[in-house]
Amino acid sequence: QSALIQPASVSGSPGQSITISCTGASSDVGSYNLVSWYQQHPDKAPKLIIYEGTNRPSGVSNRFSGSASGNTASLTISGLQAEDEADYYCCSYAGRLLFGGGTKVTVL
Amino acid sequence: QVRLVQSGAEMKKPGASVKVSCQASGYTFGSYGISWIRQAPGQGLEWLGWSSTHNTNYAWKFQGRVTMTTDKSTDTAYMELRSLRSDDTAVYYCARQRYYYDNNAYLYWGQGTLVTVSS
Repeated sequence: QSALIQPASVSGSPGQSITISCTGASSDVGSYNLVSWYQQHPDKAPKLIIYEGTNRPSGVSNRFSGSASGNTASLTISGLQAEDEADYYCCSYAGRLLFGGGTKVTVL
Repeated sequence: QVRLVQSGAEMKKPGASVKVSCQASGYTFGSYGISWIRQAPGQGLEWLGWSSTHNTNYAWKFQGRVTMTTDKSTDTAYMELRSLRSDDTAVYYCARQRYYYDNNAYLYWGQGTLVTVSS
């Protein structure tokens, strides 16, 4: 059982927006607001797409955005594209690294 | 540019040990730690721990079974896991933070090392 809770799957049509939630506790997500998000395509290493809750590394599309409220962080993908079909993981830190169970995004 | 290159796939029997290496290049090795993260087949990401040239921090689950070290002379990080079980079968990744002060922003990843534990 993961320390951070994510929905197992989310789907959307091309061009739509989807949001993935990540629920933790006041001791991790709720305390530090330092949630990061990773995208992982099959048989590839994870890729950092959001750090410190809302920031994107250089080169990451601005269609990806992060937010947080209380003990829940969220990743929104706007203008969904076929290449966004992947697994997404949230990650927090509370003296140790915590990952969510992952969310499979399907583009219909 | 920053690169992390891991050692090749390993096949081990239950009860054995495995040592995976992660050779870094493109930055000052001693200025950053390395985390080790694994992914069992079809499963999510699991953090094993972090090590730098000065310190280590292991996940509670792996305390006593894992040792992470670094070798500044070769810019290489190592992760040794002992008393292997079948559920240790996974791809093991090494990863480096974006900046030294980041806690969970892992921008750089190795290519992964498949460790298979089977009798």
